[in-house]
Amino acid sequence: AQSVTQLGSHVSVSEGALVLLRCNYSSSVPPYLFWYVQYPNQGLQLLLKYTTGATLVKGINGFEAEFKKSETSFHLTKPSAHMSDAAEYFCAVSALRGAQKLVFGQGTRLTINP
Amino acid sequence: IAGITQAPTSQILAAGRRMTLRCTQDMRHNAMYWYRQDLGLGLRLIHYSNTAGTTGKGEVPDGYSVSRANTDDFPLTLASAVPSQTSVYFCASSEGSNTEAFFGQGTRLTVV
Repeated sequence: AQSVTQLGSHVSVSEGALVLLRCNYSSSVPPYLFWYVQYPNQGLQLLLKYTTGATLVKGINGFEAEFKKSETSFHLTKPSAHMSDAAEYFCAVSALRGAQKLVFGQGTRLTINP
Repeated sequence: IAGITQAPTSQILAAGRRMTLRCTQDMRHNAMYWYRQDLGLGLRLIHYSNTAGTTGKGEVPDGYSVSRANTDDFPLTLASAVPSQTSVYFCASSEGSNTEAFFGQGTRLTVV
């Protein structure tokens, strides 16, 4: 079984500051890991994903995340926040093998202060 | 334009009524999912289907049923709606567990 915990339901940063959104997962099998973004009144859009190979993955809009197996973490970062980054972010996990279920965290709402 | 289509976009439903939320994808994806999104709880999986003809229960399946008669369609049925089923419902599909899941625009359902 898989589960995801996102630390902090609400994160606020200043424009130009570092963005760090935390995600820890639990999985009984090797995981696939994803970050999605949801803008107001829209569906979810994939930011980036980890499957196998390089543990540092780069996504759209300057975001990146690092898979750390020893820490069971997949934190999302962006060096310099932009006003357009304000949205809700979801971390998700699915099993490398077995049922193709995506399990999501509770979400983190990112606010950017001018 | 390829993607996922959900219908209706919003609905107000009287408690006790039956309702089917429709979801169609034209990407020939094997896997499809139904989630509900509630404030503070994120997205919770209701039901999923790995391939046509098979379905499975997610985290919160009670009060909901699904069918997967073909690859493209994955309807979600509320047999007798209750106010706690007021939520935003998202349908999604993916080629496999290691590939991107594509989401519909959601159905906002209010049960009164």
